[in-house]
Parts: sequence; C-alpha cells; structure tokens
Amino acid sequence: AQSVTQPDIHITVSEGASLELRCNYSYGATPYLFWYVQSPGQGLQLLLKYFSGDTLVQGIKGFEAEFKRSQSSFNLRKPSVHWSDAAEYFCAVGALANILTGGGNKLTFGTGTQLKVEL
Amino acid sequence: KAGVTQTPRYLIKTRGQQVTLSCSPISGHRSVSWYQQTPGQGLQFLFEYFSETQRNKGNFPGRFSGRQFSNSRSEMNVSTLELGDSALYLCASSLDGQVPYNEQFFGPGTRLTVL
Repeated sequence: AQSVTQPDIHITVSEGASLELRCNYSYGATPYLFWYVQSPGQGLQLLLKYFSGDTLVQGIKGFEAEFKRSQSSFNLRKPSVHWSDAAEYFCAVGALANILTGGGNKLTFGTGTQLKVEL
Repeated sequence: KAGVTQTPRYLIKTRGQQVTLSCSPISGHRSVSWYQQTPGQGLQFLFEYFSETQRNKGNFPGRFSGRQFSNSRSEMNVSTLELGDSALYLCASSLDGQVPYNEQFFGPGTRLTVL
C-alpha cells in the first residue's frame, strides 16, 4: 500500500525568504505525485504534478518540485515566499488501481504542512 | 468551464440522523471520488464512482455509501451519524480513472457538524 510522509507539521518563514516543504512517499511502482494547497475553509487546489519525464516540475504560483526516486522524495520549493502563500500544503501519491480488478484511482495524502508567513 | 460544485456547503445534524451530500463534477468528467478530512485523521479516501459503478473503496464502515447518476453527478450518504463523522467532505472529479493517471479536481467541500 502506498503512503506519504510530510515530516514538518508547521513551518514559519519570512516573506521573501525561500521555502522547501518535504515529502517522502512509499509506493511499489512508478508514482504519480501531486502537491495541493488548501486555504482556510476551501477545497484543494493543485499546485503541480509529476507523472513521468523531467524530474523538476513547474507549477502555478511560482512553485516547483523535484522528484528524486533514489530518496523517494518529492519536495516542494519556492524561491521567494509571499504572504498570500500562507496555507496548508498537502503532498499526495496517486495509485492506479489494478486494471484487472476494475481500474480507477485514488489519492493517498500526507498529513499536511501548515505554512505561516511572517511579514 | 465551471468547477466541481458541492451542496450544501454547511450542514448541522444530530447523532443518529442520516445525511446526503451532493457533488456535480466538471462537465465531461466521468470519475467522482469522495474524501473525508478531519484534524485527527487528515484526508482519507472514501470511494470512487465511474459510470454509475463504485470502482474503489476506502476503509470506512458500511454507514458510508454513495452513488452516481447517468449525468455523472454523485451523492454520498452517511446513515446513523456519529460525532466522529464531523468533517469536511471533499468531492473530486477527473476525466477517467484509467491510464494515464488523470488528475483530480476538488470542490470546496461540505462541512458536516454532528451534534
């Protein structure tokens, strides 16, 4: 079974500083990896995704993430954080269910990292 | 193109009651998944529907059920509500659940409070 670990529950950074949120996954096959952001009272917005190919992926709002198979990691980065980036960030792995048993997919999420931005 | 819509946005129920939540996927999307989000357990997968059939199921008791209609709209039902069912219920839609993996788009959620 797949799993996702986000070791940092809370992170505080100053506006303008760089940011790195950690994500480690466990999955037997090629993973489909995602980063979502959730603002208070809102649903999840997709920041970026990795399916295959270039291991450095660019997303919206200036975010990027790097897939490192050897470390089973998919860390999210941003060179300069804005106050509006304060939110909760979730890393997720998508498992493609066995086609023989009907296929389909589901996401397994990490526990999230709450980002606070100090002005 | 309109996003995923969920109704109602907020709901208050008492223990023992049942509740039905609704989700309308993005036009053209055929797969609908449901997730429960709580502070203690985080985001957990409930089930996925595709072409009116439940295709995947998470580890939730039988009190949680769902269905999908021919227009891909989906409902989930929770019977005999317990205090622990208080959560944000998120619906997500995707084009199809087959290879290649299709990303899921989330609605704003329904906040259920059980008193």
